[in-house]
Amino acid sequence: DAGVIQSPRHEVTEMGQEVTLRCKPISGHNSLFWYRQTMMRGLELLIYFNNNVPIDDSGMPEDRFSAKMPNASFSTLKIQPSEPRDSAVYFCASRQHIGELFFGEGSRLTVL
Amino acid sequence: RKEVEQDPGPFNVPEGATVAFNCTYSNSASQSFFWYRQDCRKEPKLLMSVYSSGNEDGRFTAQLNRASQYISLLIRDSKLSDSATYLCVVNKGNQGGKLIFGQGTELSVKP
Repeated sequence: DAGVIQSPRHEVTEMGQEVTLRCKPISGHNSLFWYRQTMMRGLELLIYFNNNVPIDDSGMPEDRFSAKMPNASFSTLKIQPSEPRDSAVYFCASRQHIGELFFGEGSRLTVL
Repeated sequence: RKEVEQDPGPFNVPEGATVAFNCTYSNSASQSFFWYRQDCRKEPKLLMSVYSSGNEDGRFTAQLNRASQYISLLIRDSKLSDSATYLCVVNKGNQGGKLIFGQGTELSVKP
């Protein structure tokens, strides 16, 4: 079975550009999470969805960040405009109810 | 105060050593607890859940102390392959779905 699939795996962009990260959760999972990981701050929860509905977005840093889940098999995290301090690894994860949380391989973002 | 705090590490131990990691959490309403393992430049993966009565999986033992809001992970007879970062994970109070990760403790097992 395919795990959580994220794209792109790596992205290098310039400050001010729009960045879109994509995630396909494991089929049948009803919760989806977006995390950001940096050396300084560790893994931070940005937002999570239950049944495609955003439940808690209190971790989203600011208005430049937005996330959507138009259906059960797809989610996006968008940063517009991007800034150097957004450089991090962005992980998407999914789970079924309160089961094990499965992570994608991450999207490594570098903003120059 | 952070919601989930862990020993800062890194822990450098010889093969065969026993090593213990500690984690404290701030929300007394938390119900679910886990240890995840993350290898360098990889995604975190579930190591084990932590149950109220404590639980063991081979060389790994996890314990929970609700009164002190404290979780521990004990690794016995450590192997080179145990070298990784260990992340303590707690659900946020009565928000069952919201999982908060600690900063992680790095373990390096040397020959």
